Amino acid sequence: QVQLVQSGAEVKKPGASVKVSCRASGFQLTAYYVHWVRQAPGQGLQWMGWINPTNGDTKFAQNFQGRVTLTRDTSITTALFELNSLRSDDTAIYYCARGGSGQTDLWGQGTLVTVSA
Amino acid sequence: DIQMTQSPSSMSASLGDTVTITCRATQGIREYLAWFQQRPGKAPKSLIYAASRLQSGVPSKFSGSGSGTDFTLTISSLQTEDFATYYCQQYKDYPYTFGGGTKVEI
Repeated sequence: QVQLVQSGAEVKKPGASVKVSCRASGFQLTAYYVHWVRQAPGQGLQWMGWINPTNGDTKFAQNFQGRVTLTRDTSITTALFELNSLRSDDTAIYYCARGGSGQTDLWGQGTLVTVSA
Repeated sequence: DIQMTQSPSSMSASLGDTVTITCRATQGIREYLAWFQQRPGKAPKSLIYAASRLQSGVPSKFSGSGSGTDFTLTISSLQTEDFATYYCQQYKDYPYTFGGGTKVEI
């Protein structure tokens, strides 16, 4: 079955880092860009950046430049997202999505990240 | 950043209705526009890209149009599963930005 499978929910303290994984199932991750989008509770969608798993190229929204790291694992089946210096307003559901450098066609199920002291 | 404004923010409709949602960009984005459907508690689902092209598997009851700054999503013959929140997104310029969403309620 073609899908993106994300890692489970996380609870982190302010100032900590969080890593979220996004595994491709039923297709080759290297054929697509992987975008990351977040959604705060009851809010809309916010694009954060993308990675090209083939060569590791990345692009970030300026708001997150320096705080977000996008990588892929050596088998290039999984995309990895890391957010540093967590704040309470980073509490959100984080989604990965595959696509080209622009549009996306398939989204993961989402990973809830809660930042709380 | 390009701001995307959707209207209305919410709407009520009945089964079998046809509804239209509009999305306006603060600057021209040609046809670099996508539409998504999000049901409660679920991930967004891609419906349309390049303003009017249906994603594979999306029923033809969904249609998109527009170019430049003004876009529309039309949903015909509303069924129970169509009651959801719909978002537009521009991917012409970074950062890619989404509209605030339109909630379609029964």
